[in-house]
Amino acid sequence: AQKITQTQPGMFVQEKEAVTLDCTYDTSDQSYGLFWYKQPSSGEMIFLIYQGSYDEQNATEGRYSLNFQKARKSANLVISASQLGDSAMYFCAMTKDTGGFKTIFGAGTRLFVKA
Amino acid sequence: DGGITQSPKYLFRKEGQNVTLSCEQNLNHDAMYWYRQDPGQGLRLIYYSQIVNDFQKGDIAEGYSVSREKKESFPLTVTSAQKNPTAFYLCASSIGLSVNTGELFFGEGSRLTVL
Repeated sequence: AQKITQTQPGMFVQEKEAVTLDCTYDTSDQSYGLFWYKQPSSGEMIFLIYQGSYDEQNATEGRYSLNFQKARKSANLVISASQLGDSAMYFCAMTKDTGGFKTIFGAGTRLFVKA
Repeated sequence: DGGITQSPKYLFRKEGQNVTLSCEQNLNHDAMYWYRQDPGQGLRLIYYSQIVNDFQKGDIAEGYSVSREKKESFPLTVTSAQKNPTAFYLCASSIGLSVNTGELFFGEGSRLTVL
């Protein structure tokens, strides 16, 4: 069965420093997608970054990068130069193309950025 | 602006009552989804729909029902059979049906409380 594991319930980072949020996944599929979403206190989920299982390069989007290690089945999110507005819940997610398109989510990591 | 609109934002229900949560999108997306989020947890899939007049159960469909009569609309009914309906409900949509087009666009959510 597919599973997403985020082992860090909460993380603290100093403003302007980089932080890594961990994510491991379990799947027997060859084709899948990995995503990170941000959920501020308002509740809306915001897409951050995507990595396909066949992509050889790590994905980057501005201050976000995804450290994809396929053999280890990990997809860690790196946020560089943290800002106070980065304080939020962060969810790792995985999608498989089953013919019935589904995304599963990890339990999330709450990030606190300190001034 | 294009996006997903959920209503109501807050809803209170007495035990034994059915309630319907609205979800409308003007993104012209084929696929739509309903997720449930409990405090401190990730999102769990309730139902999803890939095309009009067709939908599939997700991981926690018991006590819920949906319809997809129009491409833009995917309402969720929380029935009295749902034993623990108090939760935050998120509606989402996506462009396509493969892992490479799987980014989810979310509404702002509906918070349901059973009194």
